[in-house]
Amino acid sequence: KNEVEQSPQNLTAQEGEFITINCSYSVGISALHWLQQHPGGGIVSLFMLSSGKKKHGRLIATINIQEKHSSLHITASHPRDSAVYICAVPFNTDKLIFGTGTRLQVFP
Amino acid sequence: NAGVMQNPRHLVRRRGQEARLRCSPVKGHSHVYWYRQLPEEGLKFMVYLQKENIIDESGMPKERFSAEFPKEGPSILRIQQVVRGDSAAYFCASSPRRQGGNEQFFGPGTRLTVL
Repeated sequence: KNEVEQSPQNLTAQEGEFITINCSYSVGISALHWLQQHPGGGIVSLFMLSSGKKKHGRLIATINIQEKHSSLHITASHPRDSAVYICAVPFNTDKLIFGTGTRLQVFP
Repeated sequence: NAGVMQNPRHLVRRRGQEARLRCSPVKGHSHVYWYRQLPEEGLKFMVYLQKENIIDESGMPKERFSAEFPKEGPSILRIQQVVRGDSAAYFCASSPRRQGGNEQFFGPGTRLTVL
């Protein structure tokens, strides 16, 4: 069993739809990261959170430490949101363990 | 402030050659992590270094791979006698101190192709 599980693996949406990506983890953590990887491969850190909720523009991340679960929401999705979204948790020496990613495609 | 810099961005090597990947962390960051992303796979941890020290190399293949982060200059990931299976994107990330809640800043990656 992977320490970090994401769902769904693939997601397609029409522009304007509300998107939810889920992440469950099995290890105790100090914080959880949400990352975005665009075609062409660069990785951008979207959020790091250890409790509650964070919002940045149309992106919202929530975490429930007791249930070991986090969600990434995108409101009013846009084709430029098309990317792979990855959750990651620090483990042991604080190296990150990554989920397999959710490939999102938003169509106009 | 410059972010994490990696070079080269693309590297092509023939089987048996050596590959040297460089990572300059964010100024003031003393913690560097190397991750590898094989084609169609997720990111995997390779090695964690602080200045002049390897802290955790549990993700490094036992042979041909080495990493360093000298007192001066960039961190180097070195792959000797490359094989086709080494073809991947190699990312480094830096952090100002041991994470425990600190963000890691990622470089743009080096895409290694072994012919």
